[in-house]
Amino acid sequence: GNSVTQMEGPVTLSEEAFLTINCTYTATGYPSLFWYVQYPGEGLQLLLKATKADDKGSNKGFEATYRKETTSFHLEKGSVQVSDSAVYFCALSLSYGGSQGNLIFGKGTKLSVKP
Amino acid sequence: NAGVTQTPKFQVLKTGQSMTLQCAQDMNHEYMSWYRQDPGMGLRLIHYSVGAGITDQGEVPNGYNVSRSTTEDFPLRLLSAAPSQTSVYFCASSYSSRVVAFFGQGTRLTVV
Repeated sequence: GNSVTQMEGPVTLSEEAFLTINCTYTATGYPSLFWYVQYPGEGLQLLLKATKADDKGSNKGFEATYRKETTSFHLEKGSVQVSDSAVYFCALSLSYGGSQGNLIFGKGTKLSVKP
Repeated sequence: NAGVTQTPKFQVLKTGQSMTLQCAQDMNHEYMSWYRQDPGMGLRLIHYSVGAGITDQGEVPNGYNVSRSTTEDFPLRLLSAAPSQTSVYFCASSYSSRVVAFFGQGTRLTVV
């Protein structure tokens, strides 16, 4: 079936450290891929997206590249800030069939950034 | 530009009670969905709709009903609340299968 696997958290980093959160997926067809962020007490917000192979999504210093050959969409940031502390979700959306428009999520990775 | 609006934000129910979680969007999106978020589980799809009058089950539909009489509204009904339904519920809408979903702020439901 279709699924998303994220690295287990929590991840604790010092401010200005490099961040990588791994995400791999299994899907039939050609999914779109997303990273969402959830700050404490809030709903999910889109962080970035990619809709086809080799696309790179970027926003607020975060980047992720859609790698079809490795079925991966790893999230990276060169220098994290305390304000980046949140839970990050990788997700995919299928483009055909009855599940169109619905997201399949990973379990989330909690990031804590210390000053 | 309200986006996706969920009400209420918080609710406590007793086991066996029924209630409706409201979701409305003002973006004329065809696709609407309900997800529940539980610790360590990520978000799981409960029900979804691809347009007015059309609904279907997601991954965890048991204990929940939905209807879609208008494009704007997609209420989620709990028929007889159980403690296992204690969760945070998110409504989302999209205008295309390849376009990002917009999420509401969530409803935190506790069943005692």
